[in-house]
Amino acid sequence: AQSVAQPEDQVNVAEGNPLTVKCTYSVSGNPYLFWYVQYPNRGLQFLLKYITGDNLVKGSYGFEAEFNKSQTSFHLKKPSALVSDSALYFCAVRDRISGGYNKLIFGAGTRLAVHP
Amino acid sequence: EAQVTQNPRYLITVTGKKLTVTCSQNMNHEYMSWYRQDPGLGLRQIYYSMNVEVTDKGDVPEGYKVSRKEKRNFPLILESPSPNQTSLYFCASSSTGRGYNEQFFGPGTRLTVL
Repeated sequence: AQSVAQPEDQVNVAEGNPLTVKCTYSVSGNPYLFWYVQYPNRGLQFLLKYITGDNLVKGSYGFEAEFNKSQTSFHLKKPSALVSDSALYFCAVRDRISGGYNKLIFGAGTRLAVHP
Repeated sequence: EAQVTQNPRYLITVTGKKLTVTCSQNMNHEYMSWYRQDPGLGLRQIYYSMNVEVTDKGDVPEGYKVSRKEKRNFPLILESPSPNQTSLYFCASSSTGRGYNEQFFGPGTRLTVL
């Protein structure tokens, strides 16, 4: 079965410093990988995805993620963190179901806290 | 504005009292889905729909029902709610269920069952 793991419940970083939120996956076949962000009292918002092509994927709000097939990882990164980046981040992977359709399997989430 | 709407946003109810959470999208999306979010567990899929009149169980369907009579609407029904269904619920949609499209999420419904 497909799965995704976010090994850190919380990541703390000072404003202006680079941030990394980790994600590892286990899939059969080619992975489709996603990052979503959840701000307080809001629904999830799409940040970026990897389907195929360049291993470095750029997304919204200055975030990027690097797909590493050998390490089965898809870590989310940003060169300079903002206090407004503080939120809950979810990694997700596609899981195939019948009839050529798919669904998303979500990780447990990582809370990012950016301190002034 | 392209969006997914859910109602109500907050609901407190008692065990056994039937309730419906509505979900509507204005993007003409084929695929819609319901998730519940619980601390430490991430989002778990309850039911999904590939198109009108096509629905199927997700990972945690027990105690829930859905219907998809119109493309834009995908209500979640709890026939006899129990306290273990206290959770934060999200409806989501995407243009297709083919796996490469991002999903758009509603603002969430926080349900408490006493």
